[in-house]
Amino acid sequence: AQSVTQLGSHVSVSEGALVLLRCNYSSSVPPYLFWYVQYPNQGLQLLLKYTSAATLVKGINGFEAEFKKSETSFHLTKPSAHMSDAAEYFCAVSEGQAGTALIFGKGTTLSVSS
Amino acid sequence: DADVTQTPRNRITKTGKRIMLECSQTKGHDRMYWYRQDPGLGLRLIYYSFDVKDINKGEISDGYSVSRQAQAKFSLSLESAIPNQTALYFCATSDSGAGSTEAFFGQGTRLTVV
Repeated sequence: AQSVTQLGSHVSVSEGALVLLRCNYSSSVPPYLFWYVQYPNQGLQLLLKYTSAATLVKGINGFEAEFKKSETSFHLTKPSAHMSDAAEYFCAVSEGQAGTALIFGKGTTLSVSS
Repeated sequence: DADVTQTPRNRITKTGKRIMLECSQTKGHDRMYWYRQDPGLGLRLIYYSFDVKDINKGEISDGYSVSRQAQAKFSLSLESAIPNQTALYFCATSDSGAGSTEAFFGQGTRLTVV
């Protein structure tokens, strides 16, 4: 069965600094990987997804993630944090073509200070 | 109008009461899911359905039941609510087409069991 581990439940950065949110996955078959963002009192919005095409995936709001099979990782980055990036971020995995339900990590709360 | 609609948005109920949370979607997707979100635990899968005649348990199905009344409707029931079922509940949908599996979420139902 697939699983996701997000390292760090809380990450704090200064405005303009690099954002790095870590995600490692476990899957017995080639995975599909996703990053979702949840702003306070809202539902989940897809940031980006990897579905076996390019390993470097670009998403909305300047975020990107790189699929590294050898490291079983799918870390989320953004070169320069903005105050509006403060939110909770979830990494999720599904078993690719098998189309299983999404399994989520426990989330990382990103705080951005001025 | 939202593509995935959950009703009610907020509900307070008493221990032992039966309660139903409803989800409807206009995306034409065949797959629907129920998740619950608890602080620090991320989203955990309760039940999922890949078509009208298919119902599957997720990792935390005890105390819950579901009904897929139509392709567009998927309801979650708590037969006898207990306080530790207090949580934020999300319905989601996805398409079964190859290369998809991206999940679209409703705005959530905040349930409090007192």
